[in-house]
Amino acid sequence: SQQGEEDPQALSIQEGENATMNCSYKTSINNLQWYRQNSGRGLVHLILIRSNEREKHSGRLRVTLDTSKKSSSLLITASRAADTASYFCATVILNTGGFKTIFGAGTRLFVKA
Amino acid sequence: NAGVTQTPKFQVLKTGQSMTLQCAQDMNHEYMSWYRQDPGMGLRLIHYSVGAGITDQGEVPNGYNVSRSTTEDFPLRLLSAAPSQTSVYFCASSFDRSGQFFGPGTRLTVL
Repeated sequence: SQQGEEDPQALSIQEGENATMNCSYKTSINNLQWYRQNSGRGLVHLILIRSNEREKHSGRLRVTLDTSKKSSSLLITASRAADTASYFCATVILNTGGFKTIFGAGTRLFVKA
Repeated sequence: NAGVTQTPKFQVLKTGQSMTLQCAQDMNHEYMSWYRQDPGMGLRLIHYSVGAGITDQGEVPNGYNVSRSTTEDFPLRLLSAAPSQTSVYFCASSFDRSGQFFGPGTRLTVL
């Protein structure tokens, strides 16, 4: 099974509302990242939070990390129709060879205008 | 910079055929990886490389080979294509453990 599990699988909200997506993971991480994917396109990196950080902000994005619960959340405030996309968390795991990045299954966000 | 490029964009294979998906980056990134994405699902790591001459297996490596002879290129080889390998394949690169840059993907159908 995948390292990251996200919920909800899908989320539909009105423009202007906030959207919250959650990610849980299984093993110790070096950092956790969130990505966005528009339909049929490659992923775009949004924000990174290190394992010793608890909260990070970037524009309308707020990410939290709770390493004791092995979970993270992504909050998008004042959502816009253009935020409609799939959002994925990715965990960076250190290993003997260096590191690897494992993705979760993603949350599909639909923002209605 | 062209970023991460992938060729071909689309490919149809018959069961048992072999082929190589190409990936190149011009950002001098050490870290490169291959993922597959099945419909409505997340990305699963196939193989990755932390530098030229170094590769390692990801979550779903069976049926795929990689090599990394240069920093720029990281080809993915399908040895004997199977219908279960029908997917969209993404290549990504990064300078370090921070965010990865993704290519546009290759849509592969195996009949």
